[in-house]
Amino acid sequence: AQSVTQLGSHVSVSEGALVLLRCNYSSSVPPYLFWYVQYPNQGLQLLLKYTTGATLVKGINGFEAEFKKSETSFHLTKPSAHMSDAAEYFCAVSEGPTNAGKSTFGDGTTLTVKP
Amino acid sequence: NAGVTQTPKFQVLKTGQSMTLQCAQDMNHNSMYWYRQDPGMGLRLIYYSASEGTTDKGEVPNGYNVSRLNKREFSLRLESAAPSQTSVYFCASRDRVNNQPQHFGDGTRLSIL
Repeated sequence: AQSVTQLGSHVSVSEGALVLLRCNYSSSVPPYLFWYVQYPNQGLQLLLKYTTGATLVKGINGFEAEFKKSETSFHLTKPSAHMSDAAEYFCAVSEGPTNAGKSTFGDGTTLTVKP
Repeated sequence: NAGVTQTPKFQVLKTGQSMTLQCAQDMNHNSMYWYRQDPGMGLRLIYYSASEGTTDKGEVPNGYNVSRLNKREFSLRLESAAPSQTSVYFCASRDRVNNQPQHFGDGTRLSIL
């Protein structure tokens, strides 16, 4: 079984401030982890992914995330927030090609960026 | 552009009416998925198709049926719509064999009165 918990349904930061969105997961097998972003009235777009290898992964738009197995976490960060980062962010876990490649999504975190 | 195409984008139904949501992908992905998204509840899996010719229930399948018409197309049918099915529906596809992420359509916004 797999599950995802995103801590904080709403996060507000000032423009230029650090963005930190938290994600904890559980998985019975080595996980594959993803962060997606959703802008209003659009589908989800991939920000970054962790499958194997380097635990610090870089994504689009300056975002990065670190896989910490001991903490079962995959937090998303960005050093300096832009107004355009305002969106909803989803963390997801997958058990790879098994289990039909299904992913389990967190409930999402809405990021607000204040000028 | 390659991707996942959903039709229609918007629809209003009356309780008891039926309709089919269409989804097609042109990335030659083997797996396809239908989700519903409700405020504060993330994405919940309705049905999925691991490969052409197979379909399985997800987390919230009641009131829905699906058809994997071929490798490209995966449709979702509401036989007798209920107000509780008012939601935004997303289709996604994935190359699961190579551990690629899911690709999403832009969604269908469905209101049931």
